[in-house]
Amino acid sequence: QAVLTQPSSLSASPGASASLTCTLRSGINVGTYRIYWYQQKPGSPPQYLLNFQSDSDEQRGSGVPSRFSGSKDTSANAGILLISGLQSEDEADYYCMIWHSSASVFGTGTKVTVL
Amino acid sequence: EVQLVESGGGLVQSGGSLRLSCAASGFTFSIYNMNWVRQAPGKGLEWISYISSSSTSMYYPDSVKGRFTISRDNARNSVYLQMNSLRDEDSAVYYCVRGGDFDGWGQGTLVTISS
Repeated sequence: QAVLTQPSSLSASPGASASLTCTLRSGINVGTYRIYWYQQKPGSPPQYLLNFQSDSDEQRGSGVPSRFSGSKDTSANAGILLISGLQSEDEADYYCMIWHSSASVFGTGTKVTVL
Repeated sequence: EVQLVESGGGLVQSGGSLRLSCAASGFTFSIYNMNWVRQAPGKGLEWISYISSSSTSMYYPDSVKGRFTISRDNARNSVYLQMNSLRDEDSAVYYCVRGGDFDGWGQGTLVTISS
């Protein structure tokens, strides 16, 4: 079982909200981890979006619009990236990441399509 | 503006060696931890090494431990990745990445292993 599991794809309409989940493997408690999120468009390197630890501890990358935000669902043991007001330019792959036992671990990635 | 420029990629035979370099500019390199992350064609992101700002700590995943060595030269604002005993599965784009947040990425350098 992967440490971080993300749905492979998600589709939504322009202007809608998209909620991307990053589920931590059983035994790894999401509450103790800072969740990082990255966006990657075809042919380009990933770009840092934000990290989320708690409602009072969220850091957005330089120039990242406020319609990108993070949260956690402790009942699902998952980190969440919420994209509000989807735009065509948001079509990309999204990866979550945590630091676990002195190692960085990436999620499996979600491809977001804006229909 | 954060700039990270990788070099040293290319085509190498299985079992061979390669040394990647990353030149940093636009920020105070010596205070940042640095990482290498790779991405095989059509696949997700894989973290492969970390070095602390003063080179006191280095970490690797099991997939490259004992074969890859990360180093840095703060006087030259550069970080390096020595890759030995290369395998087919090491074929990927290799990114130089800034900090524990991974908040700055280079454009990447392509490494292709031929068997």
